[in-house]
Amino acid sequence: QQQVKQSPQSLIVQKGGISIINCAYENTAFDYFPWYQQFPGKGPALLIAIRPDVSEKKEGRFTISFNKSAKQFSLHIMDSQPGDSATYFCAASTHTDKLIFGTGTRLQVFP
Amino acid sequence: GAVVSQHPSRVICKSGTSVKIECRSLDFQATTMFWYRQFPKQSLMLMATSNEGSKATYEQGVEKDKFLINHASLTLSTLTVTSAHPEDSSFYICSAPPGGETEQYFGPGTRLTVT
Repeated sequence: QQQVKQSPQSLIVQKGGISIINCAYENTAFDYFPWYQQFPGKGPALLIAIRPDVSEKKEGRFTISFNKSAKQFSLHIMDSQPGDSATYFCAASTHTDKLIFGTGTRLQVFP
Repeated sequence: GAVVSQHPSRVICKSGTSVKIECRSLDFQATTMFWYRQFPKQSLMLMATSNEGSKATYEQGVEKDKFLINHASLTLSTLTVTSAHPEDSSFYICSAPPGGETEQYFGPGTRLTVT
């Protein structure tokens, strides 16, 4: 019940395209859903996060869509750029509790 | 945003020796810090929760006598890998939420190689 399932494992997108990564969870007590971006050899960087009281949050080219009834949330990267090539992790937690990470998605954006 | 630093960024040590990794919150105080381990091309695995002024809470399967955690101040937590062996070689990352916030900010990670 503590798992967060993430798909796909890898994703190849052409420059300018839309990258979509999906996550699903079981624990209905989760109330915080962040996405992290990680470049090789670096620590994860917080990209965007959402709470279950909203269905969508947008920051620049990054959008989180949240479906509370389906217990799913997704990251959309619009106008994907080669610089977006990285590994993306979704995560979930209860308030002030530890983060449960998804398995990660390696995104490659080709020019 | 909040900044978390780690030191060293890379360390190579011989089997049987101990290594200390520092995690500092530079512009905020953190009563709690988290330590993760990440193997190549895998996700982050939470090892333990570091609590300022009290004992760390370890995740199931993590040896507390091997991975010693000390959270001596509101800006510093240390992880000591004792009697390191090659299988302890990994990428160790810490994170911290600014007091009262849910957002966690990660350090740049420490690459440990045990020869």
